[in-house]
Parts: sequence; C-alpha cells; structure tokens
Amino acid sequence: EIVLTQSPGTLSLSPGERATLSCRASQGVSSNFLAWYQQKPGQAPRLLIYGASSRATGIPDRFSGSGSGTDFTLTITRLEPEDFAVYYCQQYDGSLTFGPGTKVDIK
Amino acid sequence: EVQLVQSGAEVKKPGESLKISCKGSGYSFTSYWIGWVRQMPGKGLEWMGTIYPGDSNTKYSPSFQGQVTISADKSISTAYLQWSSLKASDTAMYYCARPRGWPNAFDVWGQGTMVTVSS
Repeated sequence: EIVLTQSPGTLSLSPGERATLSCRASQGVSSNFLAWYQQKPGQAPRLLIYGASSRATGIPDRFSGSGSGTDFTLTITRLEPEDFAVYYCQQYDGSLTFGPGTKVDIK
Repeated sequence: EVQLVQSGAEVKKPGESLKISCKGSGYSFTSYWIGWVRQMPGKGLEWMGTIYPGDSNTKYSPSFQGQVTISADKSISTAYLQWSSLKASDTAMYYCARPRGWPNAFDVWGQGTMVTVSS
C-alpha cells in the first residue's frame, strides 16, 4: 500500500500570500495518479486537481498541481479568504489512499 | 445536475446493524463506480471500498475488508454501506463519492451521513 505524507501539518498565511503544500509518497505513483481535495468545516471534500496537474471543473486557476513519482505539490498563488481549509492529497495507483492533510489557516 | 444524496444521520447502539444509502441522479448510475469514504471525528479521509453498480464488482480497502459490506441496487440508482454489528469505533461521517473512472479521483461527493454508535 502506498503511504502518503503531507507537509507541513499546518500552514499559517495571510490572504494574498502564496501557499505551497507538499505530498510525498512511500513509492512511486505511476501515471501521476495523484489528486488534491479541499475540505471546509462541515462540508464534503471538493476535488481540485487530478492526474497531478489537471484542474477539476470550475476550479480557479490560482490552484495548480505539479510533481511526479514520489513528490507532488499543490500551489495556491494568491490566497483568497475562502481558501482557508484543509487540503488532502490522494493516490489512486491501484488502490486508494489519502494523506493526513494540511490545514491552511489565517495568520 | 449530477448529484449523490445520502440518507440521514443515525444513532445506534453497539452490536446493532445498519445500512446507509447513497442515491445517484443526473447521470447513468450503472456506468460509474461509487465509493465510500470514512472520516472519524476530527480526523482525515479513509477509502473504504468502491462498487461498480453495472455488475456489482466491488473492491475493498484491506483495512475494511470483512468489516463492512458495500452493495448497490441499480433499479433505484442507490448504493449502500452496511454493518452487521456496529462498534463505538464506527462513529464517523461517511461519504459516498463518484470517481471519474477506476481507479481515479472522486469528482462528485454526497453530503455525508453521520453515524453515531453509543450505548
């Protein structure tokens, strides 16, 4: 089973700043089968990125994904007030596992 | 509009059985997989398993194999997650979600069903 670790655990930033979130896999994720989700309190997760770098329908272009193999990154270029949330990565290379999440909170 | 609508919150006692549901609409229910994801209070997301309603092909996470049963009734476009004997540790929010294919990311999510198991 591929284990995902995310860093940092919490990221404290101000609106307008750039956020860089990391997701590392215990072994290579083939075909970049890596997704990112955003979850706000009391809500279901929302798909942001699939295939490591493809934005899901309706996702603003301030969200971007990159990486391959074992190291992946989610970048939010300029944080909007609605972007403060928990972000999870997920791999779907055969089986499915989620990372533990990164909380982006207001500094 | 593509939607997954889940059944309401449940409060059960340890040892009781439970079946929660997830109804799909706005798309061909038999052409897409449906998965279940657990989120324990204050914790992260855990994939439990996924079913293809077209032929009931089901895949389980090793962590949940034998602990739950996933099924679907394609005649009413509904997927199910059931327990035969609940434990307090089953207390969690349960989401159904539709992946873009298999295996793939979940692009449509239900609103969640909160299950509370307490004596």
